[in-house]
Amino acid sequence: DQQVKQNSPSLSVQEGRISILNCDYTNSMFDYFLWYKKYPAEGPTFLISISSIKDKNEDGRFTVFLNKSAKHLSLHIVPSQPGDSAVYFCAASGGTYKYIFGTGTRLKVLA
Amino acid sequence: SQTIHQWPATLVQPVGSPLSLECTVEGTSNPNLYWYRQAAGRGLQLLFYSVGIGQISSEVPQNLSASRPQDRQFILSSKKLLLSDSGFYLCAWSDRRGNEKLFFGSGTQLSVL
Repeated sequence: DQQVKQNSPSLSVQEGRISILNCDYTNSMFDYFLWYKKYPAEGPTFLISISSIKDKNEDGRFTVFLNKSAKHLSLHIVPSQPGDSAVYFCAASGGTYKYIFGTGTRLKVLA
Repeated sequence: SQTIHQWPATLVQPVGSPLSLECTVEGTSNPNLYWYRQAAGRGLQLLFYSVGIGQISSEVPQNLSASRPQDRQFILSSKKLLLSDSGFYLCAWSDRRGNEKLFFGSGTQLSVL
């Protein structure tokens, strides 16, 4: 049972344009959501998070949007840079100490 | 500041051999500790988590076990490795207080041959 889903395994975007990565969840108990960036053979690094009491959170070029009714969140990167090329994971937690991750989206920013 | 150490970085083991991966956290107390695995081309699968010494929750039935002998030490073990145990293993910690960021170690690439 995949509680957190990232349906796009890959995404290519031109440098300077917007990257939009999507994530869906099924468990209504989730109340905290996170995005991580991962390079090969390295541990994921935290990017941005959002609590279910909010619908938007910004940090520099990164913005996360949460639509609770649709059980959907998205990460916007503007403007996209070549250094943003990596695998992005969304994660969710709530009600327990567990963090459930999606399968990841590989972002490639083309120069 | 808090740091998490995970070793070794890479490991090649024959099928049927034992496994022990260690993770330690510094600069915090009573952390929640986690083991995740990323199989080739797959997402991050939660294997075990612990909210205290000796308290282990297993998420997926498998050939692995975990132990927490000290507050900031988390160990992943196997008595006999299988080919399917190959993958990238990640240790992580979070603050005990609740919904907080999850911080990852640098990972161990395990190849079972």
